[in-house]
Amino acid sequence: DVKVTQSSRYLVKRTGEKVFLECVQDMDHENMFWYRQDPGLGLRLIYFSYDVKMKEKGDIPEGYSVSREKKERFSLILESASTNQTSMYLCASSLGVWANYGYTFGSGTRLTVV
Amino acid sequence: GENVEQHPSTLSVQEGDSAVIKCTYSDSASNYFPWYKQELGKRPQLIIDIRSNVGEKKDQRIAVTLNKTAKHFSLHITETQPEDSAVYFCAASILNNAGNMLTFGGGTRLMVKP
Repeated sequence: DVKVTQSSRYLVKRTGEKVFLECVQDMDHENMFWYRQDPGLGLRLIYFSYDVKMKEKGDIPEGYSVSREKKERFSLILESASTNQTSMYLCASSLGVWANYGYTFGSGTRLTVV
Repeated sequence: GENVEQHPSTLSVQEGDSAVIKCTYSDSASNYFPWYKQELGKRPQLIIDIRSNVGEKKDQRIAVTLNKTAKHFSLHITETQPEDSAVYFCAASILNNAGNMLTFGGGTRLMVKP
């Protein structure tokens, strides 16, 4: 089974802190994604990456950046955390290049910014 | 870009009844339609998918139908059980030069009453 591992299940950070959320997949997938999940708002795409060092903005990139230095690792960075970034963050990966496949999701990181 | 609408947002059924969740999509170029189930506190998991060259697909108690002309697809769960209670997400996928991009519906919270 493809595994997508997110480094933290729960995280509490202070306003203004720089926050790193890490995601690692073990199946050599090309595409990786970061989503934010809030009640009533479904899954909203923050950023995605289709190759090492490549990144594309999703629907809600403001206040976030990403890094993909290695194929298996995709990091989401909150440069200066704010309370409105309190949310569940889900990482996903897909084989996806030149073919349609489903995504495999990580277990999520519930981030609380106080 | 693609837009996926999902209805209803909540659905309550009696154990043993059938449940139907409907999604519409906007871009006729979409050709892959997965469904995800997310149990409380867990990651979304792919439960069934359908590609545009097929009109219906079944897997035990779940089935998905696709009407490309009308641009809608549906998830059917028969003989519902309490363990079917979860949030279900539909998605539609377009292939572009970055690989496959899933656009998710807003989710349906299914509650199966024993």
